[in-house]
Amino acid sequence: AQSVTQPDIHITVSEGASLELRCNYSYGATPYLFWYVQSPGQGLQLLLKYFSGDTLVQGIKGFEAEFKRSQSSFNLRKPSVHWSDAAEYFCAASSGGSYIPTFGRGTSLIVHP
Amino acid sequence: EAEVAQSPRYKITEKSQAVAFWCDPISGHATLYWYRQILGQGPELLVQFQDESVVDDSQLPKDRFSAERLKGVDSTLKIQPAELGDSAMYLCASSQQPQGARDEQFFGPGTRLTVL
Repeated sequence: AQSVTQPDIHITVSEGASLELRCNYSYGATPYLFWYVQSPGQGLQLLLKYFSGDTLVQGIKGFEAEFKRSQSSFNLRKPSVHWSDAAEYFCAASSGGSYIPTFGRGTSLIVHP
Repeated sequence: EAEVAQSPRYKITEKSQAVAFWCDPISGHATLYWYRQILGQGPELLVQFQDESVVDDSQLPKDRFSAERLKGVDSTLKIQPAELGDSAMYLCASSQQPQGARDEQFFGPGTRLTVL
């Protein structure tokens, strides 16, 4: 079955430190891949997406993600975290002609001052 | 900046009661989605509309859930009767392009439902 796995439920980092959130997918072919952020009390916002081409994808708010086919991974990174980055992060994937994503369970990012 | 509107933001109800949620997508967006997000999980699609037509409602528990988008603009999701397991965040999203296009979904703030 198609699935998206985010192995870390919580991640705690200090402000200014680098960040990497992990995401693995299980699909028959390379899916479309997405990262969303959800701040408390708000809906989801798309950070970045990968369809094809360059495996390093730049997104909004200084985030980037790298697609690694050999590892079935699409990890999200940011070189220097800001306190305002504290939120829930969701990795998602879709396949075929559909844009309907399957979401991972999310990773909660906690930022210490 | 155009946003997806949802109301109410919070709803507390007793089991066996009826509840309804409303969503107004971004103007001009043809596709509308309702998702359910259980605490600690990612969102799961309940129903997708293309204009006023249902495209996918395979995950909608049709014995108690219903959704409509009569004029192809705003939409209502109803639960009758509500059960304890329905407690969740209900998210609405819209996108400009028809189904199958690789178009970004824009999410509303959600309605948090608590069933007592």
